Amino acid sequence: DARVTQTPRDKVTEMGQEVTMRCQPILGHNTVFWYRQTMMQGLELLAYFRNRAPLDDSGMPKDRFSAEMPDATLATLKIQPSEPRDSAVYFCASGLTGANVLTFGAGSRLTVL
Amino acid sequence: AQSVSQHNHHVILSEAASLELGCNYSYGGTVNLFWYVQYPGQHLQLLLKYFSGDPLVKGIKGFEAEFIKSKFSFNLRKPSVQWSDTAEYFCAVRANNAGNMLTFGGGTRLMVKP
Repeated sequence: DARVTQTPRDKVTEMGQEVTMRCQPILGHNTVFWYRQTMMQGLELLAYFRNRAPLDDSGMPKDRFSAEMPDATLATLKIQPSEPRDSAVYFCASGLTGANVLTFGAGSRLTVL
Repeated sequence: AQSVSQHNHHVILSEAASLELGCNYSYGGTVNLFWYVQYPGQHLQLLLKYFSGDPLVKGIKGFEAEFIKSKFSFNLRKPSVQWSDTAEYFCAVRANNAGNMLTFGGGTRLMVKP
């Protein structure tokens, strides 16, 4: 089964540290999404790429978050500096334009102390 | 912009009970509708989807959902739940002008007592 791979699975860090989460979309998929899951907010869209170009990152705090796709096989989500309120599970999902179905990765659980 | 509401945040059922989880969306145009499930400690998995055609959609593990356009609803049902259905369920909507972007509801946490 093709799958979306996310690393790290779990990350515990201290406030102020930089955190980078990585996502390998399914080969051939041209859309990539980053979602954040918290108890209070549920699933929130952070960023959306199509053909590696960012289309929507309005849900992302711009002062500390950044999302990039250096190439078609890698998407990154960076937080610098991290804060305790960033503690959440971050999901990456990929899809193919027109196919309308997203495949989610296993998530990266971030804990900021 | 579209939004999705899931009315029940927590549901507790005994095994063999029937399940219905509500989902309503707000968007006036054409939508695709999805239910995703997240089992404890696992990632989101697609349970079922509606694109067009028969509004009663059957998914995996005995789940089904009915799209009622006039009510902007896409409720999830299962006639008889099992302990293994304990999970969090997310309804999601994709507007026809939103690419692959999904808007999720807040999720419903289902606990099935053995």
